[in-house]
Amino acid sequence: EPEVTQTPSHQVTQMGQEVILRCVPISNHLYFYWYRQILGQKVEFLVSFYNNEISEKSEIFDDRFSVERPDGSNFTLKIRSTKLEDSAMYFCASSEVGGGGANVLTFGAGSRLTVL
Amino acid sequence: AQSVTQLGSHVSVSEGALVLLRCNYSSSVPPYLFWYVQYPNQGLQLLLKYTSAATLVKGINGFEAEFKKSETSFHLTKPSAHMRDAAEYFCAVRTGTASKLTFGTGTRLQVTL
Repeated sequence: EPEVTQTPSHQVTQMGQEVILRCVPISNHLYFYWYRQILGQKVEFLVSFYNNEISEKSEIFDDRFSVERPDGSNFTLKIRSTKLEDSAMYFCASSEVGGGGANVLTFGAGSRLTVL
Repeated sequence: AQSVTQLGSHVSVSEGALVLLRCNYSSSVPPYLFWYVQYPNQGLQLLLKYTSAATLVKGINGFEAEFKKSETSFHLTKPSAHMRDAAEYFCAVRTGTASKLTFGTGTRLQVTL
């Protein structure tokens, strides 16, 4: 069964450093997403991406965050000047169709980011 | 604004017992509702979804959920728990044309012998 793969599974970084989390979405999917879950809290939407553009983003997704699809298979989340509060599990997701309704997202296993 | 509340961060049941995981939603417009499951070291996997076609929705692994508008609920049930059902379960809602899913805080299901 097709799956979304994420690397690394766990990354530890010093506050102020830059991190890049990588995702390989399902090959025929065109819509990509990042969510995150701070320990003990809700899974929160960060950003959705289609046709090389951000289509929607949350207030969490400030100017330290960026997303990119550098080639035909990868989808990356970059966080600059990391803060302690960026520590969370980051989930990548993709979908065949976009928009609302019953559109189903397929999620990866997550990348745990720890900022010290 | 849309939101979901999952009552109970941890639920423990005996193998063979009924599983009931609660989810209540808040939405000013008809919602689309989802249950996802996360097994250890795996991604969020769709269990089932409500799309207004039927109020009782059957999903994978013997799970089902019933949409009750009067109670704004979408509780997940399974008649007989199995050890392999031990996982974290997330309820999520989406409304309108926005792609954003709003998740609950999750319920960790423990199944004991």
